[in-house]
Amino acid sequence: QVLLQESGPGLVKPSETLSLTCTISGESISTYYWSWIRQPPGKGLEWIGYIYHSGDTKSNPSLKSRVTISVDTSKNQFSLKLTSVTAADTAVYYCAKGSATGTSWFAPWGHGTLVTVSS
Amino acid sequence: EIVLTQSPATLSLSPGERATLSCRASQSVSNYLAWYQQKPGQAPRLLIYDASNRATGIPARFSGSGSGTDFTLTIISLEPEDSAVYYCQQRINWPITFGQGTRLEIK
Repeated sequence: QVLLQESGPGLVKPSETLSLTCTISGESISTYYWSWIRQPPGKGLEWIGYIYHSGDTKSNPSLKSRVTISVDTSKNQFSLKLTSVTAADTAVYYCAKGSATGTSWFAPWGHGTLVTVSS
Repeated sequence: EIVLTQSPATLSLSPGERATLSCRASQSVSNYLAWYQQKPGQAPRLLIYDASNRATGIPARFSGSGSGTDFTLTIISLEPEDSAVYYCQQRINWPITFGQGTRLEIK
């Protein structure tokens, strides 16, 4: 059974960098694409980006150059950094497993972690 | 960016009834469309992928259809546990996008 767990600070100050890590158990990170997806409170879902174990990444143009996704295969983890955050970045952040190709569906998802941007 | 428009925004039905949820794409996504179910406080769960294929463990009450720009998620014999928000998602073009969701309420 594949399980994903997000971790990181729940509160980030405006203009600072949001950093989250997703730890995968029950599956090797080296087989699939792995994504970050977020959901502002009471709103819909926004795909942030993906990473492959080779380091191949792709991110949503809506987030421009603020997103960095990295992988640590030795720890079976991948991470998200989002710079220059504002209140609009307040959301539940999910990590999710994609397919063996870049474009994919997402299953399973982590439980999600709420990140609030506030001073 | 492909925009997915879901309708209706809210659907209120009784147990045992049939639910029909719609997802319309701003351009063709072929059959590269998925449906998710999200219950309060939970992560989304994949129900249907490639328009009509049920994901592992999903009951046969859930079915998907459509291609091109118009898609439907049908849930027959509604149960109280089906109360949730349902999202569609396309994967044919970057960025991957989701619809805004349909809230299904079971009376």
